[in-house]
Amino acid sequence: NAGVTQTPKFRILKIGQSMTLQCAQDMNHNYMYWYRQDPGMGLKLIYYSVGAGITDKGEVPNGYNVSRSTTEDFPLRLELAAPSQTSVYFCASSYGTGDADTQYFGPGTRLTVL
Amino acid sequence: AQSVTQLGSHVSVSEGALVLLRCNYSSSVPPYLFWYVQYPNQGLQLLLKYTSAATLVKGINGFEAEFKKSETSFHLTKPSAHMSDAAEYFCAVSDQGGGFKTIFGAGTRLFVKA
Repeated sequence: NAGVTQTPKFRILKIGQSMTLQCAQDMNHNYMYWYRQDPGMGLKLIYYSVGAGITDKGEVPNGYNVSRSTTEDFPLRLELAAPSQTSVYFCASSYGTGDADTQYFGPGTRLTVL
Repeated sequence: AQSVTQLGSHVSVSEGALVLLRCNYSSSVPPYLFWYVQYPNQGLQLLLKYTSAATLVKGINGFEAEFKKSETSFHLTKPSAHMSDAAEYFCAVSDQGGGFKTIFGAGTRLFVKA
């Protein structure tokens, strides 16, 4: 199993550009998550999904959009990139048994907006 | 509301010394508690988790943590540090029965000196 994969690994965007961060998992997990990690701030939840076709906002959703058309894929869309979106983005997934789920993380995408 | 506080953004120990990483949580209902480790340029991976069974939880790589309800703490320990333990460690909490959203602490970076 590849686990959780993310592409690209690195990206530099200009202010106002758009991009999609890709995330895929091959563990047949129901739940998927997008986090951003800023230095000294831990991880903040952007969006999450409990299954195909079902998504909801996390703590910091502004400036982002998601979709979940299949169990495997959970892309994150940035519209009109801003310097405040410079961060490391992690996708994660979990089986969905409940609150004690172990989350499995991808290797991250480092995004810089200039 | 849930919250997690990790005391000390950086901890430095000598190889062979005791590792102690501190975590205090706040939760209005019984919590599930996690420790994740992040090695450089990688995603997070689970070290151990508390799910209301035994209060002393053993994890991978010789780490363990003890849930102390009276102190609202879940400190991570390892008797003897190894160079390979150098990484960033995150404490996290989610509510039992309150959904699957997990709140992460800001992280503690562990340095191991030869």
